[in-house]
Amino acid sequence: AQKVTQAQTEISVVEKEDVTLDCVYETRDTTYYLFWYKQPPSGELVFLIRRNSFDEQNEISGRYSWNFQKSTSSFNFTITASQVVDSAVYFCALSANAGNMLTFGGGTRLMVKP
Amino acid sequence: GAVVSQHPSRVICKSGTSVKIECRSLDFQATTMFWYRQFPKQSLMLMATSNEGSKATYEQGVEKDKFLINHASLTLSTLTVTSAHPEDSSFYICSASRSRGLNQPQHFGDGTRLSIL
Repeated sequence: AQKVTQAQTEISVVEKEDVTLDCVYETRDTTYYLFWYKQPPSGELVFLIRRNSFDEQNEISGRYSWNFQKSTSSFNFTITASQVVDSAVYFCALSANAGNMLTFGGGTRLMVKP
Repeated sequence: GAVVSQHPSRVICKSGTSVKIECRSLDFQATTMFWYRQFPKQSLMLMATSNEGSKATYEQGVEKDKFLINHASLTLSTLTVTSAHPEDSSFYICSASRSRGLNQPQHFGDGTRLSIL
């Protein structure tokens, strides 16, 4: 069975601070994908990244970066120089050998204050 | 590409009404569509998986007769909440993928906020 844990339910930072959202996953499968989604107050899910289990390279996209560590089963997400528009709920998710069904973490609500 | 349209975006109706939500893949053929439910301040919970031309597979605890899913074409799946009651009020999100393959991403609709009075 798959499981995704986002231990931080809420994080509050002041604008321009860096913030890291943690994600720990469990799966017995050797081939899997990890995802991050952003859900702003309007509700839609915004896709941020998909990472294959065989690709442990860290990724940077503008102010966003992701650190994938198989040794600790973690796929953490860092926002550098946070902005008010980053305020949202962020979900980490996993799909594994059972097909492309997604298992979502509980989400982390990020509040960036001006 | 890979745009999914979900309609309506918001529904407010009286208890006992049946509500139909549509999920369309606009620029690709979706063999598989997924329906999720999200209560306030909670995560997305998978309700069911539908494959075009066959019956949907429901997750444990989801009432099949309450939440009717039809996936009659490669671009359209519908979720009908039958005889809706206040406890059915929730945010419903669909997603679509070209197949069930592990490497096929899900593309999400914008969600439907259902409020039953």
